[in-house]
Amino acid sequence: AQSVTQLGSHVSVSEGALVLLRCNYSSSVPPYLFWYVQYPNQGLQLLLKYTTGATLVKGINGFEAEFKKSETSFHLTKPSAHMSDAAEYFCAVSEASGTYKYIFGTGTRLKVLA
Amino acid sequence: GAGVSQSPSNKVTEKGKDVELRCDPISGHTALYWYRQSLGQGLEFLIYFQGNSAPDKSGLPSDRFSAERTGGSVSTLTIQRTQQEDSAVYLCASSPLAGGRTDTQYFGPGTRLTVL
Repeated sequence: AQSVTQLGSHVSVSEGALVLLRCNYSSSVPPYLFWYVQYPNQGLQLLLKYTTGATLVKGINGFEAEFKKSETSFHLTKPSAHMSDAAEYFCAVSEASGTYKYIFGTGTRLKVLA
Repeated sequence: GAGVSQSPSNKVTEKGKDVELRCDPISGHTALYWYRQSLGQGLEFLIYFQGNSAPDKSGLPSDRFSAERTGGSVSTLTIQRTQQEDSAVYLCASSPLAGGRTDTQYFGPGTRLTVL
């Protein structure tokens, strides 16, 4: 069975500081991984995804994530936090077969301090 | 183009009443998913539709939950005899399923259901 673990349900950073949101996965097959962001009272918006190829994936709004098979990780980073980055972030893996439904982590709420 | 839309955006109901939640997927997307987002449970899969195939209902929490998709487009999630534990945000997503497992799912804004 596949699963996703997000360490830290709440993360606070100062504006301009590095953002690091952690995601670890468990999968018996090569994983396809996604990061989504959810702003208050909105749906989920795709930030980036990893399927195959380059392990460093760049997404929207200056975010990037690196797939590390040896560490079973897909951490999300941004060099400099902006106030507008305050939101909830979800890491997900798509099911290996069948419906390809997403299996989500529990989410990390990012707070950006002025 | 237009994204996934859901209605209503908010629904307050009394315990024991039935509710219907609607999802309009992106035109041309063959796959449609319903997820539930609740405190303590996170985001969980409910049901999946793909074209004319039989839906995958493996995520539905009880037989009070049902869903249909008419004409391969609009979907309705119905909850009968609502309970307080049904209070959650119900999210709909669609994908083109051209790439299958690598496809991006596009999410609607959700329906916030509150059962009093």
